[in-house]
Parts: sequence; structure tokens; C-alpha cells
Amino acid sequence: AQSVTQLDSQVPVFEEAPVELRCNYSSSVSVYLFWYVQYPNQGLQLLLKYLSGSTLVKGINGFEAEFNKSQTSFHLRKPSVHISDTAEYFCAVTPSGYSTLTFGKGTMLLVSP
Amino acid sequence: GAGVSQSPSNKVTEKGKDVELRCDPISGHTALYWYRQRLGQGLEFLIYFQGNSAPDKSGLPSDRFSAERTGESVSTLTIQRTQQEDSAVYLCASSLDAGASNYGYTFGSGTRLTVV
Repeated sequence: AQSVTQLDSQVPVFEEAPVELRCNYSSSVSVYLFWYVQYPNQGLQLLLKYLSGSTLVKGINGFEAEFNKSQTSFHLRKPSVHISDTAEYFCAVTPSGYSTLTFGKGTMLLVSP
Repeated sequence: GAGVSQSPSNKVTEKGKDVELRCDPISGHTALYWYRQRLGQGLEFLIYFQGNSAPDKSGLPSDRFSAERTGESVSTLTIQRTQQEDSAVYLCASSLDAGASNYGYTFGSGTRLTVV
């Protein structure tokens, strides 16, 4: 079985500062990894995904994530955040070729002026 | 449709009543998923439909929960004899096929269920 740990429930940051949201996973098989974002009162949107190949993945809205197999991590980063990035971010994992995603508990990113 | 549509958006029900939640997936999406999001928790997988295959019900928390899907269209999630711990946002997602890994899920906005 897979599991996902998002180490921070909330991350406060000032506008234009860099941010890193941490995600660690556990799995005995190779996995695919995802980050989703949930804006208030909306469904989740796919930010980016890692399936194979380059370990640095670029997504929408200037976000990127790096897959680190040895550390079983898939941290999300943005070099300069905006107020509009305030949202909850979910990391998710699925075994390669499988379908059902296992989600972490989410990290609330709070961007203030 | 353009996106995944869920109804109702909000539902308040009395403890012990049955509720039915509806999901309209994106046209052509063969895979459909139900997740539950309780306050302060991550998304909890409930059930997965893929085409005409038998659904994966491994995430349903009790026999009070059931779901149906008609072909590759609408799905309904039914909760019988609701309890207060059923209060949550119920999210539906669909994907182009079982390869959610390739296409990702498209989520609806959810149904917020409150059991009083």
C-alpha cells in the first residue's frame, strides 16, 4: 500500500517570497506522483505530475516539483508567490500503471502582502 | 459537459435519513471516482468505476454507503441512515480512461454534506 505525508499543514509566506511545500511518500513499487491545488469552494486542479524521465517537473502557474527517489520525496516549489496562490495543495501517489490516487492531508499555503 | 458537475452543492440532512449525491462526469470519460474530504483531512478514496468493469468498492467505509453508475455517464452515491461522522465534502472525479496517471483526474466542486 502507498501513503503520502505532507509535513506541513499550513505554510504562511509573504508575497514574492519563494516557497517549498514538502511531500514524502512510501511505496514498495515504482510510483507516479501528482500535485493538485484546491482554491476555496472549488474542486481540485492538477498542477503537475511525475510519470518518468526528468526528475524536475514544471507545472502550471510557475510551480515545479522535483522527484527524489532516494529520499522518497516530491517537494513543490515556486520562486515567487502571489496572493492568488493562496490555496490548499495536495500531493498524491499511485503505483505505476494503476489508477486510484492516494492523497496526503494537504498543505494550506497562506500568502500575505 | 465542460466539466464534472455535482449536485447538490450543499446538503443538510437529519441523522438517520438517507441521502443521494449525483455526479455528471465529462462526456467520454470512462473512469469515475468518488472521494470524501473530511475537515482537516486529506481525500479518502471511496469507489472507482471503469467502463463496464466491476467497480472497486474497497474504500467504502461501511455498508451504509453504495454507489451506482449507468454505463459511462451519471453516478450516484447513496448514504443510508446518515451519521454525524458522514459530514464531509464528497468529491467526484473523472478521467479519460483508467490511465489517471497519464491524464490526471478532473474534479467536480463537490457536495458539502452536513448531518445534524
